[in-house]
Order: sequence, then C-alpha cells, then structure tokens
Amino acid sequence: NAGVTQTPKFRVLKTGQSMTLLCAQDMNHEYMYWYRQDPGMGLRLIHYSVGEGTTAKGEVPDGYNVSRLKKQNFLLGLESAAPSQTSVYFCASGSYNEQFFGPGTRLTVL
Amino acid sequence: EDQVTQSPEALRLQEGESSSLNCSYTVSGLRGLFWYRQDPGKGPEFLFTLYSAGEEKEKERLKATLTKKESFLHITAPKPEDSATYLCAVQANDYKLSFGAGTTVTVRA
Repeated sequence: NAGVTQTPKFRVLKTGQSMTLLCAQDMNHEYMYWYRQDPGMGLRLIHYSVGEGTTAKGEVPDGYNVSRLKKQNFLLGLESAAPSQTSVYFCASGSYNEQFFGPGTRLTVL
Repeated sequence: EDQVTQSPEALRLQEGESSSLNCSYTVSGLRGLFWYRQDPGKGPEFLFTLYSAGEEKEKERLKATLTKKESFLHITAPKPEDSATYLCAVQANDYKLSFGAGTTVTVRA
C-alpha cells in the first residue's frame, strides 16, 4: 500500500519544453487534485477530478492540462513551460472524509 | 468564490504553552473542513475532517473544533515536535478543495 506517489521527484526544464507529471494512488479514491505551492502563496488548486474520465478547472489552470483515463492515475501536463511555472507540485487523492497528499515534485523552469 | 483565511501567520510558543490557531471560511455549501500538518520539504499530512458546527475531533495534543464560520485548532502543552505549518482547507459542494495560507508554529524547548 504505497498511498499517493508522484513521478518525477525533481525536474529542470528549459522555457518552451513540455513534460507530464504522474500521480498514482492505490486507495481506490474517487477525487484527485493537483496543486502548486509557492512561498507566501500557500497551496493553489490547478485542476481536479471527481472520478475516472472527469476533470475540472481549479484556481490557476492556465498553462496546464490534465487527464484521468484510469481511476488510479491523474496526469498533469505542461505543453510549453514558462519560468512562472517553477514551483513545487503536489497531488492529492481522497474520499468524502479524508485527503492524502503525495511527496511533491520540485520543478524548475529556466 | 470560496475563501479560507488562517491566523496568525506565525506562532512562537514555549514548550507546554497552549494556544489556538484560527481558520475562518466562506464557502458555497460546506462538505467538510480539513486540517493538515506540513513539515518542510514534505507533502501535507492529513489530521482531521469536520463536517458540521459543534463537531470536535482530537488527536494527541491537538483538538479541532468547528462553528458555522470558523474552525480552531487547539494545541495543548505543545512539544518541539509539534513545530510545523498547519493548513486548513474547505471542500465545497463541487468537491473543490481550497486551502488557507497556513500558520507556522514553532515550539521552543
């Protein structure tokens, strides 16, 4: 039982490059979330999903896309990375009464 | 728009000195209010979920309470290992989970 895992843990991109962050959970949770955390800004919701095949926009969705093709996986894509997307990205999964976070992905865009 | 405000931003306590953290919120239909603990360089760790006004939950030295507009996290006789950032979040009817900026607690021995 691994809980919530995120891949990769660290990544450095050049402006304009693309990448996909993978979040996987083994708790059969319906809800999954992608957040970014920046100093002084707290956790800001990027996109979320309330079930397989569904996605919805959060507070800061611009520049990101997501997919939830399988219940256990939630992918976050950056099509053309920008320095403003330098951040720590957290994935979370949960049910109606609990939410668990992954260890985070530290992304630097040069 | 859902809003979550936490105060104070930072709290410095002496070991054994009890205190409370505040989380005030406005949300379009509250499904649940969540408290988390976050240590530097790690993901938030789930602590409690509260659903309705008057509800209380306890875990070791932590006790969370909920009213219609705010929640309190009471830390009783804290120890240095309670030092962390404590985050509050609300889940609305659309399942969106919105966080406050957090309160950073430092407990000195």
